[in-house]
Amino acid sequence: RKEVEQDPGPFNVPEGATVAFNCTYSNSASQSFFWYRQDCRKEPKLLMSVYSSGNEDGRFTAQLNRASQYISLLIRDSKLSDSATYLCVVTGNTGKLIFGQGTTLQVKP
Amino acid sequence: DAGITQSPRHKVTETGTPVTLRCHQTENHRYMYWYRQDPGHGLRLIHYSYGVKDTDKGEVSDGYSVSRSKTEDFLLTLESATSSQTSVYFCAISVGKNYNSPLHFGNGTRLTVT
Repeated sequence: RKEVEQDPGPFNVPEGATVAFNCTYSNSASQSFFWYRQDCRKEPKLLMSVYSSGNEDGRFTAQLNRASQYISLLIRDSKLSDSATYLCVVTGNTGKLIFGQGTTLQVKP
Repeated sequence: DAGITQSPRHKVTETGTPVTLRCHQTENHRYMYWYRQDPGHGLRLIHYSYGVKDTDKGEVSDGYSVSRSKTEDFLLTLESATSSQTSVYFCAISVGKNYNSPLHFGNGTRLTVT
């Protein structure tokens, strides 16, 4: 089983839609969780950290479910500019951050 | 902007030649990393450094070596490049004080081994 798993998608949604991505992880001792965004042929950029109580940043909401070992990212009122690949990042078995393969989102007019 | 510069940005080299990629940071961060990114595999850690002359292997370190003689520079060397090392290479730094702090990435180096 991979340490971090994401549905690669692509998720094709219309502008204004709400879309959610999940990411499962295998290390029950993981302490750090992040969502990154990566545009085509660019470097990954930190979107938001994920806290135990859940957190929100504008149209983006991140949640952590330790019991089921997954994190989620919810995007409300999708914009064309949200089109990108979203990477889930968690602490791996070695204590280093492990990246998921990413979920591709395409927002269409 | 975390002040990370990678060089070169693009490189084409032949199988069997040595290649060195450079990562330079301007903010005195302790932890630096080299990742490679390939379709179907995502980002995989090659090597990392936790200080000058202090480095360790990541999950895909075979065929790669690193050096960190100064805080600001972290070099990745492919001793004898192979076609399987064709990839996009990203350098990253931890902006916090431990391995679990968020990472900031350089712009990447696209390496093609022919």
